[in-house]
Amino acid sequence: RKEVEQDPGPFNVPEGATVAFNCTYSNSASQSFFWYRQDCRKEPKLLMSVYSSGNEDGRFTAQLNRASQYISLLIRDSKLSDSATYLCVVNIWGDYQLIWGAGTKLIIKP
Amino acid sequence: EADIYQTPRYLVIGTGKKITLECSQTMGHDKMYWYQQDPGMELHLIHYSYGVNSTEKGDLSSESTVSRIRTEHFPLTLESARPSHTSQYLCASSEMGKEAQFFGPGTRLTVL
Repeated sequence: RKEVEQDPGPFNVPEGATVAFNCTYSNSASQSFFWYRQDCRKEPKLLMSVYSSGNEDGRFTAQLNRASQYISLLIRDSKLSDSATYLCVVNIWGDYQLIWGAGTKLIIKP
Repeated sequence: EADIYQTPRYLVIGTGKKITLECSQTMGHDKMYWYQQDPGMELHLIHYSYGVNSTEKGDLSSESTVSRIRTEHFPLTLESARPSHTSQYLCASSEMGKEAQFFGPGTRLTVL
């Protein structure tokens, strides 16, 4: 079982719709959580950190459920430019390394 | 957003050549990382450093080596490139005490 699991997709979503995807992690000692986005053949870019109380950044909302060990990302009013692969990333307490999910591919259609 | 640079951006070389991929960051970050990523696949950590004169191997076995003589510079060297080394190499950095990493644009390496 992978430490961080994501549905690879692709999620095909019409422009303007709301889309959500989850990521599950296996290590209960996980302490920090992030969503990155990666465009095709580009480097990953930090989208947002995920806080215990949940957090929002414009059209993006991230939630953490420690009991069930998953994090989620919600995108409202999706834009064509949101098309990318979204990477779920976890840090284990006491370890400087990040554990990367394989990513969920999102395609926004006009 | 961190300023982190990688050169070259693209490199095509023949088998057996020695190459060095450069990575520099201007943010004063103590921690630096090298990842390898094949198209459509996940990131794999191959080397990391917590500071000057500190280097460690990552989870993915790699024939490459790294050095960290200066805080801002973290070059990766392949002594004898092979076609199996064809991949994208991504350099990242982060502040001590913080986990979020910031990436350079990557070097796309092709070994013929």
